[in-house]
Amino acid sequence: QVQLQESGPGLVKPSQTLSLTCTVSGASMSGGPYYWNWIRLPAGKGLEWIGRIYPNGSTNYNPSLKSRVTISLDTSEIQFSLKVSSVTAADTAVYFCARGSSLSSYSGGWYYYYYAMDVWGQGTTVTVSS
Amino acid sequence: DIQMTQSPSSLSASVGDSVTMTCRASQSISRHLNWYQHKIGKAPKLLIYAASSLQTGVPSRFSGGGSGTDFTLTINSLQPEDVGTYYCQQTYSSPDFGLGTKVEIK
Repeated sequence: QVQLQESGPGLVKPSQTLSLTCTVSGASMSGGPYYWNWIRLPAGKGLEWIGRIYPNGSTNYNPSLKSRVTISLDTSEIQFSLKVSSVTAADTAVYFCARGSSLSSYSGGWYYYYYAMDVWGQGTTVTVSS
Repeated sequence: DIQMTQSPSSLSASVGDSVTMTCRASQSISRHLNWYQHKIGKAPKLLIYAASSLQTGVPSRFSGGGSGTDFTLTINSLQPEDVGTYYCQQTYSSPDFGLGTKVEIK
């Protein structure tokens, strides 16, 4: 059974860089049609997708965060990381990592494939404060 | 960007009721629409993908519908454990979530 676990400092000072790691257990990060995501949930707001990384290292980022975000794969192939630079109080949130999968849906005699985030970590709270 | 609008923002219903929430996309997304359930302190859970496909292990009282720009999530016979916030997400382009519908028990 695949499990994801976020880890990292719970408190970051303004203007510094937030760094988090997601550890994947129960499956290989490099096998299968998967990609690996970071999402956050600020207090009182909705889920915000931050970005994703594919096994080949290619990345996509939310345009609103792109200039400050870096997602990378660990060479161990069981972890991937998030860095958010120049943080402010607006970056205070619960941060989640999640696996993205290609899931099949049968319709009209054909199978179609759709992306969804089917395994999530429990989340880790990061507070930006001096 | 594709904007996702969910309504209502919150609802309260009795155990056993049927409840429906909606999600509207700012442009057509075909059936690239997922629904997630989130309980505070827990990992979000995928309920429905491809607008109407039930994720493995999810109770059959959850159902999704729609295509194009308008989508629904229905919970038949609401149970106490269904309390939480429900988010829609489009994956037609860069993944975006709606702001959520908070479900409470009367």
